Amino acid sequence: IAGITQAPTSQILAAGRRMTLRCTQDMRHNAMYWYRQDLGLGLRLIHYSNTAGTTGKGEVPDGYSVSRANTDDFPLTLASAVPSQTSVYFCASSDITSGGNEQFFGPGTRLTVL
Amino acid sequence: GESVGLHLPTLSVQEGDNSIINCAYSNSASDYFIWYKQESGKGPQFIIDIRSNMDKRQGQRVTVLLNKTVKHLSLQIAATQPGDSAVYFCADINQAGTALIFGKGTTLSVSS
Repeated sequence: IAGITQAPTSQILAAGRRMTLRCTQDMRHNAMYWYRQDLGLGLRLIHYSNTAGTTGKGEVPDGYSVSRANTDDFPLTLASAVPSQTSVYFCASSDITSGGNEQFFGPGTRLTVL
Repeated sequence: GESVGLHLPTLSVQEGDNSIINCAYSNSASDYFIWYKQESGKGPQFIIDIRSNMDKRQGQRVTVLLNKTVKHLSLQIAATQPGDSAVYFCADINQAGTALIFGKGTTLSVSS
């Protein structure tokens, strides 16, 4: 693994189903983030985690939950998917302890909720 | 509230020309700005960043200019190449300092 990986690459999901998007990084970054990207709206922050064991809400957290059991993994769960959650989801990480804010992004997961 | 935006949603240039992509921000307390490039089907990729104690920073073929007086920054790409075709986002740090706030993006199209 080099950088950030996300799985699945894409998924079609029936409304009401539960879905977990996976994100793993091997850079030992302390902070991780989940964004959704919709046409015309850019990237919007869903949840973030500044360190293992802590999480925080971003701009659009409703309908999503996250956990950060360890440094490397930051899964995003949709408890009961709705069509408005159709989007491209990006996971990112950064090393905030070094004073930098550069975020490294994964390749994204394209989710369609029908 | 916080917002970061770009002046133009699209920009078309000829190969070899210089490109200038503009961005305005609203949070006067922002002290860090970053530019990302996103190619079709891929995640955003870091290009260059700048802190508020600087007004200019140069990278390889790219320059970022920051005007804090009018809360404006720009990304200049020298000798634009077809491989520069992508969506470009500016971003700054939110007030809580927890994450980046992204603008909506400018699509740069480079024709040969």
